[in-house]
Amino acid sequence: EDQVTQSPEALRLQEGESSSLNCSYTVSGLRGLFWYRQDPGKGPEFLFTLYSAGEEKEKERLKATLTKKESFLHITAPKPEDSATYLCAVQAGGSYIPTFGRGTSLIVHP
Amino acid sequence: NAGVMQNPRHLVRRRGQEARLRCSPMKGHSHVYWYRQLPEEGLKFMVYLQKENIIDESGMPKERFSAEFPKEGPSILRIQQVVRGDSAAYFCASSQDRAEQYFGPGTRLTVT
Repeated sequence: EDQVTQSPEALRLQEGESSSLNCSYTVSGLRGLFWYRQDPGKGPEFLFTLYSAGEEKEKERLKATLTKKESFLHITAPKPEDSATYLCAVQAGGSYIPTFGRGTSLIVHP
Repeated sequence: NAGVMQNPRHLVRRRGQEARLRCSPMKGHSHVYWYRQLPEEGLKFMVYLQKENIIDESGMPKERFSAEFPKEGPSILRIQQVVRGDSAAYFCASSQDRAEQYFGPGTRLTVT
């Protein structure tokens, strides 16, 4: 069974304190790995898609990387508005149904 | 380009009533997915549809739940004879190419 595990479950940072969120996966035949951001009371917002090991994507203070077993979402000099839950999802094998991790709840203090 | 729309945003039903949740995908998207989310839990896949077809309903309970995506109009998730355990946030997502998905704001169902 496909598994997607995100760590840590919760992370508190001071404004400007860079850190990384982890998404590890055990799947057969990765099709794609997706990162989303979800604010309280809202639907997830698409951030990045990664398809193969070594691939990197960047957007403002966020950078996503991918290896054969895990993905990292690096947050550089975060601001309070980066506070949200970050979700990782994996598509694998012959299925187009993504498996979501439980997410990392990030709080950035001013 | 309007995003994914869901209505109603909040729905209160008494036990035994029916709940109908609607989802209009983004323009040009023909793939629709429904998910359920409980507090402190992840997104759980329910059903994947294309126009007039259910592609994968492996995550949907066999009883009381049904979904459709007609040729014209929004996709509908229908829950018959609701119970308190059905209270949750239900999200719809659409996709153009079955890769990244774009989510709606969700419908929060409360069963009293």
